[in-house]
Amino acid sequence: ETGVTQSPTHLIKTRGQQVTLRCSSQSGHNTVSWYQQALGQGPQFIFQYYREEENGRGNFPPRFSGLQFPNYSSELNVNALELDDSALYLCASSSRGQLMNTEAFFGQGTRLTVV
Amino acid sequence: AQSVTQPDIHITVSEGASLELRCNYSYGATPYLFWYVQSPGQGLQLLLKYFSGDTLVQGIKGFEAEFKRSQSSFNLRKPSVHWSDAAEYFCAVGARAAGNKLTFGGGTRVLVKP
Repeated sequence: ETGVTQSPTHLIKTRGQQVTLRCSSQSGHNTVSWYQQALGQGPQFIFQYYREEENGRGNFPPRFSGLQFPNYSSELNVNALELDDSALYLCASSSRGQLMNTEAFFGQGTRLTVV
Repeated sequence: AQSVTQPDIHITVSEGASLELRCNYSYGATPYLFWYVQSPGQGLQLLLKYFSGDTLVQGIKGFEAEFKRSQSSFNLRKPSVHWSDAAEYFCAVGARAAGNKLTFGGGTRVLVKP
């Protein structure tokens, strides 16, 4: 098991609502990335946070936003939820500044269902 | 842009038989390559990674993978499959120049017959 924890584990929201997902990174890691995994597909990169700033973003609309806190934990916020936002949201932590800084450790994910 | 293709959506293998999962990637520079495993409803566990050096990489749970630059491939192998290996397997490519994001393939679901 990794030290990356995500909450909540499951969530049901109504279309149009807003949601906040949380992630605590592994000890010693300063970078958090978020991924969306739709059913039957591979994870897709949403964005990454390093030193509390967004550092790279995938092909997701602005209603997907995030934060990173001084303790390197992170939040993913999604506004105006759509049915297609239903997915497993994965958080990955890693440590920049090292040679193998692309090695990411994943949490168990938050299963979001939009009805 | 990076891309990863896993040509096999499903593979069924008998327990004790060998397993090979295919992965082809597209990236302009030297890639970082990964294989992850995902059990139902779970997150991703790293099996192995390739950054540089020896093109045959050993991982956990008896898995290995071979990087072939000429074929843009990074196939995963296991000599003898156990029932607990039934899961979904994802190949991914990453690079510092791409902001360290990982691009994943669509996955291969492995079913193990007794």
